[in-house]
Amino acid sequence: QVTLKESGPGILQPSQTLSLTCTFSGFSLSTYGMGVGWIRQPSGKGLEWLANIWWDDDKYYNPSLKNRLTISKDTSNNQAFLKITNVDTADTATYYCARMGYYGSPYFDYWGQGVMVTVSS
Amino acid sequence: EIVLTQSPTTIAASPGEKVTITCRASSSVSYMYWYQQKPGASPKPWIYDTSKLASGVPNRFSGSGSGTSYSLTINTMETEDAATYYCQQWSSTPLTFGSGTKLEIK
Repeated sequence: QVTLKESGPGILQPSQTLSLTCTFSGFSLSTYGMGVGWIRQPSGKGLEWLANIWWDDDKYYNPSLKNRLTISKDTSNNQAFLKITNVDTADTATYYCARMGYYGSPYFDYWGQGVMVTVSS
Repeated sequence: EIVLTQSPTTIAASPGEKVTITCRASSSVSYMYWYQQKPGASPKPWIYDTSKLASGVPNRFSGSGSGTSYSLTINTMETEDAATYYCQQWSSTPLTFGSGTKLEIK
């Protein structure tokens, strides 16, 4: 059974760094072809892809936020991480992590429940 | 960046009605992927590789298309199909989503 769960600070202030953790089970990020991505969704709005990390530590970022994003993983503990620096109110959203690659196609086949993050002074 | 434009933005359909949602890409993509999202829930994979139904998706759904034009079709609308549907591509980085189509019951 594949599960993913996001965790984060809940609320933080502008200019701080947002640190998110995705803890997953039912698959391994050391398995060939496997990846985990981060996607966010402001309340009432659409989905925005942020970054992906792959089993071989290859990383892809959304260029619109690239300089602010860092994705990483801890394979032994089945976790993936995302850091976003210098946050502002526009970063307020629900953040999801999701699995990609099991079927060899670039789509997210399992999603976490999401974690709400509010940036406010 | 490949921009995905979904139409319509909102649509209301009666039970039993046929529904088609379109996703147009600003450049050609190899495959299109679709997700269903209901309020307060995470997106669910719905259609992958343009026309394959994800696990558990009723066969009244279908997907088709090529190049820059793709569609999701519901053969006979049911109340449980009311949701927002998003298309997604990753033929070119960055991965992009369409802005969503909200499907309501009439």
